Amino acid sequence: AAGVIQSPRHLIKEKRETATLKCYPIPRHDTVYWYQQGPGQDPQFLISFYEKMQSDKGSIPDRFSAQQFSDYHSELNMSSLELGDSALYFCASSLMEKISGNTIYFGEGSWLTVV
Amino acid sequence: DAKTTQPNSMESNEEEPVHLPCNHSTISGTDYIHWYRQLPSQGPEYVIHGLTSNVNNRMASLAIAEDRKSSTLILHRATLRDAAVYYCTLSTTGNQFYFGTGTSLTVIP
Repeated sequence: AAGVIQSPRHLIKEKRETATLKCYPIPRHDTVYWYQQGPGQDPQFLISFYEKMQSDKGSIPDRFSAQQFSDYHSELNMSSLELGDSALYFCASSLMEKISGNTIYFGEGSWLTVV
Repeated sequence: DAKTTQPNSMESNEEEPVHLPCNHSTISGTDYIHWYRQLPSQGPEYVIHGLTSNVNNRMASLAIAEDRKSSTLILHRATLRDAAVYYCTLSTTGNQFYFGTGTSLTVIP
């Protein structure tokens, strides 16, 4: 079965540069989530989108922005990168099912290294 | 965000059952209880979820307390491949999945 696709898998950027991560959800999924996981840390929720609209906002820095496009893929844009932004970034998707509860499915993540 | 509390780590012998507890005393009536597990450098993997009744699937069982303030993930026979960090999380109405500090499970051969 098709899974959540993230690209690129690995990315190296210098401080103060900009990076963009892409996420392609499972077909027919209408909701996308972004998480950041630093070394030895638990996944931290950044932001989510439902039907192309932002639905929830977590600990996303102001330097970061994200959007979901008409084909439901999502992009996380990170500007003025700092060393502390080095982390594994996960995208997840789900199909909104308020009755049975959402189950979210994660991609394999994008490794961002800021040097 | 809804809070969950889990032990930092647990150990189990291979082929023995494992009971992973989770407290969620502030759970609301519409919150689902979800369990995910994560292997190193991989995305979290869905294990099981439930609302009020106990649930079983091919991976595990979920036992939910009658007052829903706690739950237990049960792995019936632990294998080495079950060694992972297990997260208990609550899905509130809307799209909120917050991961707390999970339980690192070590399986001893």
